[in-house]
Amino acid sequence: DGGITQSPKYLFRKEGQNVTLSCEQNLNHDAMYWYRQDPGQGLRLIYYSQIVNDFQKGDIAEGYSVSREKKESFPLTVTSAQKNPTAFYLCASSMRLAGSKNIQYFGAGTRLSVL
Amino acid sequence: GENVEQHPSTLSVQEGDSAVIKCTYSDSASNYFPWYKQELGKGPQLIIDIRSNVGEKKDQRIAVTLNKTAKHFSLHITETQPEDSAVYFCAARDSGGSYIPTFGRGTSLIVHP
Repeated sequence: DGGITQSPKYLFRKEGQNVTLSCEQNLNHDAMYWYRQDPGQGLRLIYYSQIVNDFQKGDIAEGYSVSREKKESFPLTVTSAQKNPTAFYLCASSMRLAGSKNIQYFGAGTRLSVL
Repeated sequence: GENVEQHPSTLSVQEGDSAVIKCTYSDSASNYFPWYKQELGKGPQLIIDIRSNVGEKKDQRIAVTLNKTAKHFSLHITETQPEDSAVYFCAARDSGGSYIPTFGRGTSLIVHP
């Protein structure tokens, strides 16, 4: 089955702790994205990557970091600098960033809560 | 940058009724408009999309219309069923710039049996 796998489904963070959310895709897509979803806020872009070893900040990148060492993997680290990390995090991918092939497909999400 | 407004935030209908969700966008360069359905605890799934060279597109009980002049597009669901209950998001993407879609805030559709 082709798709996007996010893990874990639920994650708890203690004060001052960094946590990493996993996102893996087997769709052979070049572009990958991380969104944050808060109630009534829609989807806000954190980071995106067009290609391996390259990534760009989105609208709300502060307090987050990413890496793209492999085409299929785009992990997101929520650092201790992110003061309000409680949210639903969604990973997405698309065949390309630009053009008619950038239809986004989403994973099932990770719900992060602060202890 | 692009700004997408979506209304209403909540929509409650009886099974069998029609539902309409409306979005407006600000960037006249936007040329691709997808709609996503998100069920509770899951990620959004693309249900229908429309490009700026088309005014209307249908897929069984769902349809999307686009008015480029007024910069608004709408999702129409006919003969609603309880399984249509979900949050629906519209988005707009321009042909240049970052190519990243801008999403509306979502509409929670509740279909009462």
